[in-house]
Amino acid sequence: GAVVSQHPSWVICKSGTSVKIECRSLDFQATTMFWYRQFPKQSLMLMATSNEGSKATYEQGVEKDKFLINHASLTLSTLTVTSAHPEDSSFYICSARENGLQSAPQHFGDGTRLSIL
Amino acid sequence: AQSVAQPEDQVNVAEGNPLTVKCTYSVSGNPYLFWYVQYPNRGLQFLLKYITGDNLVKGSYGFEAEFNKSQTSFHLKKPSALVSDSALYFCAVRKGAGGYNKLIFGAGTRLAVHP
Repeated sequence: GAVVSQHPSWVICKSGTSVKIECRSLDFQATTMFWYRQFPKQSLMLMATSNEGSKATYEQGVEKDKFLINHASLTLSTLTVTSAHPEDSSFYICSARENGLQSAPQHFGDGTRLSIL
Repeated sequence: AQSVAQPEDQVNVAEGNPLTVKCTYSVSGNPYLFWYVQYPNRGLQFLLKYITGDNLVKGSYGFEAEFNKSQTSFHLKKPSALVSDSALYFCAVRKGAGGYNKLIFGAGTRLAVHP
């Protein structure tokens, strides 16, 4: 089945550090990938839609300069949290849909827990 | 606007009993409906989907869901619950085809299966 790999799974770093999270589709190509943020005991909040070869589309209220997204290939999207602060601590999850299959579900990575000290 | 409602924050069921996790949706046109499960500190795992055809769809781990257009519902069911089914369940809707179309998630329902 379709597998999405997300790395790292856990990051602890100091305030002011920039953190890069990778999302890879291992056995399929994905022109479009999605980045979500999940707070404890809450649902997923879509942050942005990542499009291969073009700029990401950010949801309202999400700072594009804070959360940099790069989708350089059909199997890799990255999210960089720039100059992270404690309020950026959260669980970040990516997903991808296989190209060419209109009814295909989104497949999710295992998430990255980001803790900013 | 699209929306998904999961009216129960938590569902408790005894092992071996049938379980139902409720979901209703609001979307124009023909919706694509999905159920996902999330275990602690993990991403979401796809369980099943409804696109078209039979209203009763079967998915992974013995789960099934029934699409009811008149009631705009897509309840998740399993005939006999297992303790290992305890997790957080999300219903999601997408407005038809299109790679760009976003998934809209419900708030989630925590399922607790007791031995």
